[in-house]
Amino acid sequence: AQSVTQPDIHITVSEGASLELRCNYSYGATPYLFWYVQSPGQGLQLLLKYFSGDTLVQGIKGFEAEFKRSQSSFNLRKPSVHWSDAAEYFCGGGGADGLTFGKGTHLIIQP
Amino acid sequence: DAGVIQSPRHEVTEMGQEVTLRCKPISGHNSLFWYRQTMMRGLELLIYFNNNVPIDDSGMPEDRFSAKMPNASFSTLKIQPSEPRDSAVYFCASSPGPWGYEQYFGPGTRLTVT
Repeated sequence: AQSVTQPDIHITVSEGASLELRCNYSYGATPYLFWYVQSPGQGLQLLLKYFSGDTLVQGIKGFEAEFKRSQSSFNLRKPSVHWSDAAEYFCGGGGADGLTFGKGTHLIIQP
Repeated sequence: DAGVIQSPRHEVTEMGQEVTLRCKPISGHNSLFWYRQTMMRGLELLIYFNNNVPIDDSGMPEDRFSAKMPNASFSTLKIQPSEPRDSAVYFCASSPGPWGYEQYFGPGTRLTVT
């Protein structure tokens, strides 16, 4: 069965520091891959998506993600975080069983 | 462009009452999904429609829950009778592609059953 794993439940980063959120997938074939962000009281907003081609994908709000087939990973990165980036981040994988989400990583920004 | 529209945004009701949640997907999208989100269980897929037809309702908790999509621009999720354990945020999402494509989420309906 397809699955998406986000190993970190919480991540704390200082404002201005770089960020990397981890995501691993388990699929029979290369899935579609997504990152979503959810701010408190809001719905999930699509940050970026990977279907095929370039393994480095640029998204909104200065985020990027890199697909690494050898590691079955699709980690989200940002070079310098802002206090407004504090939110819940969900990795998702799309395949034959639909879109499967990880359990989310809660990002805390320290001043 | 308007995104996915959900109404109401908040609903407070008493146990045993009927609750109807509404969703208008993004125009041109042919897939629609209903999700439920709680702290304990996270994000759960309830039902998936493609071209207005229910394809997978295996996530619907029990017979008290029903969903319809009478046309491409409207869907409802009904709970009858409601129970306190149904309290959650319910999201509707739509997608321009098939099963597994990216989904665009509405703002959600926060349901509280007392």
